[in-house]
Amino acid sequence: NAGVTQTPKFQVLKTGQSMTLQCAQDMNHEYMSWYRQDPGMGLRLIHYSVGAGITDQGEVPNGYNVSRSTTEDFPLRLLSAAPSQTSVYFCASTGLGDSQYFGPGTRLLVL
Amino acid sequence: GESVGLHLPTLSVQEGDNSIINCAYSNSASDYFIWYKQESGKGPQFIIDIRSNMDKRQGQRVTVLLNKTVKHLSLQIAATQPGDSAVYFCAENRADTGRRALTFGSGTRLQVQP
Repeated sequence: NAGVTQTPKFQVLKTGQSMTLQCAQDMNHEYMSWYRQDPGMGLRLIHYSVGAGITDQGEVPNGYNVSRSTTEDFPLRLLSAAPSQTSVYFCASTGLGDSQYFGPGTRLLVL
Repeated sequence: GESVGLHLPTLSVQEGDNSIINCAYSNSASDYFIWYKQESGKGPQFIIDIRSNMDKRQGQRVTVLLNKTVKHLSLQIAATQPGDSAVYFCAENRADTGRRALTFGSGTRLQVQP
């Protein structure tokens, strides 16, 4: 199993540009989530999904959209990037026993 | 607001010593706690977890202690090694929200001196 994969690893955007961060898992986990991590801080929940077709907001959802058309994929969309969205983004999926598995992260810089 | 937090931002220990990283939580409804290790440039890595019906749980070289009375969680690492150097996060999951997403503390950096 590849576990949780994320692409791209790095991205630079200009203010106002849009992009999609990809996340995929091959463990057949129903629950997936997106977090952002700012320097020197813990992770904050952006959006999560309890299964295909179901999504909900986390702590910091503004400026981000998600969809869950399949169990495997959970993309995160930035509709109009802002410098405040410069961060490291982590995708996670939750297995049996509530253990969360994290992807390697996407480092985003918005100029 | 209610949150999970840590007492020390940085902990420096000698190789071979035992390390103790502490965490406080404020929500009495929290029923599941996880410790994560994060190395530079990588995602958080699961270390050990504990549910609120337990006081102690042991893994390989690691032990998590839960004191529900004072809402305190600790991670003990035995015989700390240079490879243990990383940032450690505690995280909580609250059954009352129905979520299986986590609330993270701000992290403690563990530095192991050779």
